[in-house]
Amino acid sequence: NAGVMQNPRHLVRRRGQEARLRCSPMKGHSHVYWYRQLPEEGLKFMVYLQKENIIDESGMPKERFSAEFPKEGPSILRIQQVVRGDSAAYFCASSLTRGIGGTEAFFGQGTRLTVV
Amino acid sequence: TQLLEQSPQFLSIQEGENLTVYCNSSSVFSSLQWYRQEPGEGPVLLVTVVTGGEVKKLKRLTFQFGDARKDSSLHITAAQPGDTGLYLCAGVGRDDKIIFGKGTRLHILP
Repeated sequence: NAGVMQNPRHLVRRRGQEARLRCSPMKGHSHVYWYRQLPEEGLKFMVYLQKENIIDESGMPKERFSAEFPKEGPSILRIQQVVRGDSAAYFCASSLTRGIGGTEAFFGQGTRLTVV
Repeated sequence: TQLLEQSPQFLSIQEGENLTVYCNSSSVFSSLQWYRQEPGEGPVLLVTVVTGGEVKKLKRLTFQFGDARKDSSLHITAAQPGDTGLYLCAGVGRDDKIIFGKGTRLHILP
């Protein structure tokens, strides 16, 4: 049973280019979360999606950032016209629909984006 | 806005000592999780606590959920160098949104 898969693990983009980060949740998981982590800091919530729906995008910048979780295929976090400040580790987590034990999230290994 | 405050932010102690890390909020969470993160890796779930007052043990780690489900603590007995890492607490709040604290960076000196 594969865990949460993120690719690429490392991504280098020049300023102004687009970055696409992919996340394949664990099998059967219908909830996906994206987080950003700067060096020496905790995880900052960006967006929470269920299949084909954005539930909460309160942590995502209004411009240049978008996320989707289509019916088929991975969740995509897209950053247009990247700037140096976008350099960070981006983590995806997935969870089952809410159960008796609460919602447990399983994380991928992250994509480290470097903007040069 | 639901927030989780973790303390201390940094902790460096000698091998064999005991320590406690705290996670506090003014909000009530339906459950709370503790994760550990190694450099260059994603967070790994250690435990989930659901019931107010619940205590769970994982070898030398003891996790407690506050009675009011607003806070939690992680106690490590006889810390080992292998315990070094970033410890994150996360609360499950409204709409199943998972909120993380900023973490406690723990360093155990041999």
